[in-house]
Amino acid sequence: ILNVEQSPQSLHVQEGDSTNFTCSFPSSNFYALHWYRWETAKSPEALFVMTLNGDEKKKGRISATLNTKEGYSYLYIKGSQPEDSATYLCAFTNGNNRLAFGKGNQVVVIP
Amino acid sequence: EAQVTQNPRYLITVTGKKLTVTCSQNMNHEYMSWYRQDPGLGLRQIYYSMNVEVTDKGDVPEGYKVSRKEKRNFPLILESPSPNQTSLYFCASSLGSGPNQPQHFGDGTRLSIL
Repeated sequence: ILNVEQSPQSLHVQEGDSTNFTCSFPSSNFYALHWYRWETAKSPEALFVMTLNGDEKKKGRISATLNTKEGYSYLYIKGSQPEDSATYLCAFTNGNNRLAFGKGNQVVVIP
Repeated sequence: EAQVTQNPRYLITVTGKKLTVTCSQNMNHEYMSWYRQDPGLGLRQIYYSMNVEVTDKGDVPEGYKVSRKEKRNFPLILESPSPNQTSLYFCASSLGSGPNQPQHFGDGTRLSIL
């Protein structure tokens, strides 16, 4: 079973502030790293899939970076808004056709 | 509309009564997968399929079966459900035969086994 760790588990952010959180994964046999946004009572929605060391991806105010050599990815939210409140999931695959998810970063944006 | 459809959305049943949760996608995706979500745990992969007639175990396959007779359908079968299979289940699909593309998730099925 692949070990994918996300930290912090939960965080509260004041509206307008920026924040970031971490996904750690095995640094050997890297294949792809996914980020998803999961709102309460909905299903997870894909944000990014990154495959190359040094990849940076951006979608609106949300961006992500990838370091495959040291086994981590950062997700950034710039100027947090209440609609950013959600759980952010990362998932890792080493090419064995399985996908291993972390437990998520729960973000609450306080108006 | 491109989507992954799961049925039923909610089910309460009793121990030992066989049940099937259906999953269908209309995007011609090759890779399909089932996950379960339990409090305090991340999404855990139960089974996955890389294409028709190709299925394999994920991290928590015990007590489950799947089949992939057609590309669009990937049912999850609980032959003899037990209370520890009470969970929120998600089906997902993606382009390509491996999980290196974004997963498209269904709306989830909440199962309660009494």
